[in-house]
Amino acid sequence: DAGVTQSPTHLIKTRGQQVTLRCSPKSGHDTVSWYQQALGQGPQFIFQYYEEEERQRGNFPDRFSGHQFPNYSSELNVNALLLGDSALYLCASTRDFRRTDTQYFGPGTRLTVL
Amino acid sequence: SQQGEEDPQALSIQEGENATMNCSYKTSINNLQWYRQNSGRGLVHLILIRSNEREKHSGRLRVTLDTSKKSSSLLITASRAADTASYFCATDILNTGNQFYFGTGTSLTVIP
Repeated sequence: DAGVTQSPTHLIKTRGQQVTLRCSPKSGHDTVSWYQQALGQGPQFIFQYYEEEERQRGNFPDRFSGHQFPNYSSELNVNALLLGDSALYLCASTRDFRRTDTQYFGPGTRLTVL
Repeated sequence: SQQGEEDPQALSIQEGENATMNCSYKTSINNLQWYRQNSGRGLVHLILIRSNEREKHSGRLRVTLDTSKKSSSLLITASRAADTASYFCATDILNTGNQFYFGTGTSLTVIP
């Protein structure tokens, strides 16, 4: 049973560029959440997708957008990259956002903006 | 702002000793989960405790939850060098549907 997978592992971009990160949820999970973790900090909630729609959103600008596909996989897009967007981006999945259930995390994508 | 705050920020103990870390939060929750993170990698789920539970055990881990004080603690007994990691509590705030808020974590170092 594959866990949550993310790609790529590492990414280097320059300011102003755009980036797309990908996530495949754990088998049987239909809800995907994205988090940003700056160095030395705890993860910060970006948004959550369920049934291909953004259900909830944290305090992040519109430069951060996402998508969920019919197979429940998800993408995180960040436009007009800033130096401050350098972070570890974590994807998490759960069976149903309405259930009290364990949230499983992927290994993350390390984004460096130069 | 962070919903959960772990205390202490850093903890250093000898192998075989017990490690206790605490988490405080601000608003009512559905559940609280503890995670471990090694060297900036992905988060590994340790234990989930629901708001109507007071204590849970999993192997060498013991978690308590006091909803009246809005606090939780994680006890790792008989620590090992492999327990060296950062530990985070994540709160699922009531009526937000699995939207988790993390603290800044406790960095645990277990000295062999």
